[in-house]
Amino acid sequence: NAGVTQTPKFQVLKTGQSMTLQCAQDMNHEYMSWYRQDPGMGLRLIHYSVGAGITDQGEVPNGYNVSRSTTEDFPLRLLSAAPSQTSVYFCASSYTQANSPLHFGNGTRLTVT
Amino acid sequence: KNQVEQSPQSLIILEGKNCTLQCNYTVSPFSNLRWYKQDTGRGPVSLTIMTFSENTKSNGRYTATLDADTKQSSLHITASQLSDSASYICVVSRSYNTDKLIFGTGTRLQVFP
Repeated sequence: NAGVTQTPKFQVLKTGQSMTLQCAQDMNHEYMSWYRQDPGMGLRLIHYSVGAGITDQGEVPNGYNVSRSTTEDFPLRLLSAAPSQTSVYFCASSYTQANSPLHFGNGTRLTVT
Repeated sequence: KNQVEQSPQSLIILEGKNCTLQCNYTVSPFSNLRWYKQDTGRGPVSLTIMTFSENTKSNGRYTATLDADTKQSSLHITASQLSDSASYICVVSRSYNTDKLIFGTGTRLQVFP
């Protein structure tokens, strides 16, 4: 049981490049979400999904796209990378949207130069 | 403004000693309060979730308390171990749904032999 798997672990991009951060979970969780973690700040929600085919914006969605074609996968796309997107990105899932503990992946550290 | 504040920012203790971490919040409405442990380079791992009616919840050597009247929570670690070295994050949910989580910035605990 792998839990939540994120790839890649590290990535360096040049300004303007695009890329996809992958996230997969094997716990059959309906709820999945993406957060970014920046120094001196709490985790902030980027996008979330309550089930396959359903996505919604979180607190800081600008510059990011998501899709949820299967229960297992929830990729995060950076459309045109900017230095302000340098951060550590965490994918998380939970059994339901309500009152369930979040299970986090181990993160992708992204640097945009 | 919905905020979660943790203190101290960092703490150093000797192995075997006890310690208490604090969390004050101004989040409203309130649904539940969570504590997570985040090892360096890893994703957060859930320790406890407490709802309005729960005053105390334990998970092994970790005991969380909640005073919903004063909007304060604490995490007490008993007989600390080197593996307790991590950041501890307090999270408050504004609603029944997981997309309304407010994250604190964490307390970094270092346990030395």
